[in-house]
Amino acid sequence: TQLLEQSPQFLSIQEGENLTVYCNSSSVFSSLQWYRQEPGEGPVLLVTVVTGGEVKKLKRLTFQFGDARKDSSLHITAAQPGDTGLYLCAGARGGGSNYKLTFGKGTLLTVNP
Amino acid sequence: DTGVSQNPRHKITKRGQNVTFRCDPISEHNRLYWYRQTLGQGPEFLTYFQNEAQLEKSRLLSDRFSAERPKGSFSTLEIQRTEQGDSAMYLCASSLEGAGQPYEQYFGPGTRLTVT
Repeated sequence: TQLLEQSPQFLSIQEGENLTVYCNSSSVFSSLQWYRQEPGEGPVLLVTVVTGGEVKKLKRLTFQFGDARKDSSLHITAAQPGDTGLYLCAGARGGGSNYKLTFGKGTLLTVNP
Repeated sequence: DTGVSQNPRHKITKRGQNVTFRCDPISEHNRLYWYRQTLGQGPEFLTYFQNEAQLEKSRLLSDRFSAERPKGSFSTLEIQRTEQGDSAMYLCASSLEGAGQPYEQYFGPGTRLTVT
């Protein structure tokens, strides 16, 4: 059972547009990580958020962790073709199971030139 | 390159054969994880090691699967009597446990298994 729901599942936009993808859960996570994955490759870690309400910026990418630590969003400004890929969110629970990541199904982003 | 490495990158095998994959984690990382990813899904947890000890196995890991990390460094994942349903990308990740660490996991490129 997937505990993290990502939306939209697919997103196709033109270069220069802005976009937001979402990661929602009914469960509380001690930390949440965002990854980007390209076809045939492993996920590459983009950012980790750990504090409710936290906002982190990575160049044109802005990540936010919800106040209740149940949801997160990723906003991309002025998308470029190089941003194309599968964006995955993954949550870690607190306590003894903190090691295990639960992934959403991902948002497949295509940025057209 | 000091990232996580996995070998082979691709494996095609016939149903009923045994296969073994290898993962070399980031050198100072004491935790090593195996995940499986099928088309259209996110990675799913299989098992993890702290140093050489295997501390948890998912229900996804049937008796045909076995994983080892004999010296707390590299790990192997063996699948016996492969079935077509085993076809997937097998991902390895490593992390460093420490006080205050957010348990960031770094993934290797994966091994794509195709069972014919």
